[in-house]
Amino acid sequence: QKEVEQNSGPLSVPEGAIASLNCTYSDRGSQSFFWYRQYSGKSPELIMFIYSNGDKEDGRFTAQLNKASQYVSLLIRDSQPSDSATYLCAVRPRGDSWGKLQFGAGTQVVVTP
Amino acid sequence: DTAVSQTPKYLVTQMGNDKSIKCEQNLGHDTMYWYKQDSKKFLKIMFSYNNKELIINETVPNRFSPKSPDKAHLNLHINSLELGDSAVYFCASSQFDRGSYEQYFGPGTRLTVT
Repeated sequence: QKEVEQNSGPLSVPEGAIASLNCTYSDRGSQSFFWYRQYSGKSPELIMFIYSNGDKEDGRFTAQLNKASQYVSLLIRDSQPSDSATYLCAVRPRGDSWGKLQFGAGTQVVVTP
Repeated sequence: DTAVSQTPKYLVTQMGNDKSIKCEQNLGHDTMYWYKQDSKKFLKIMFSYNNKELIINETVPNRFSPKSPDKAHLNLHINSLELGDSAVYFCASSQFDRGSYEQYFGPGTRLTVT
């Protein structure tokens, strides 16, 4: 079982719709959760982080964390073609003291005009 | 201003050669990381330094040797390059002493070994 799992996609989303991305993790004691956006040929860009159960909103992005069910999700509202990218979920596992993040393989999102 | 920078951006070399990649951050962060992203886009941590001290040392061939001359710089030297070393290498940094674990990535160095 992979430590951090994501559906590889592609997730096709009409422009203006909500894109919903899911990430599950195996370590129940995981502490911190991050979403990165990576355009093709570019570096990962941090777009959201969440440390506590519940929702966290930042602009068109909402991260949702449910530690009991061991998943974290990312919602992108009013999706734009510029949101087309691969979204990486990263998790800081239990016992980590130094930011040793575990990354999922990423979900490719394609926003169609 | 560039926050995390890496040189070179592209590196093409032959098997058996030795090469170095350099990273610099001007964010004032105290912790820096090296990641490898393979052809399947899987991102995996290799090393990390906090204030020049090695704190993360993953299972990586000892042909890879990181070095941090100060907390703003992190280099990666690779000896006897192999075909399997072809990947994109990312440097990242974070400010650890605030209990912040958000990491910010450099533009990457695409290494191709022929």
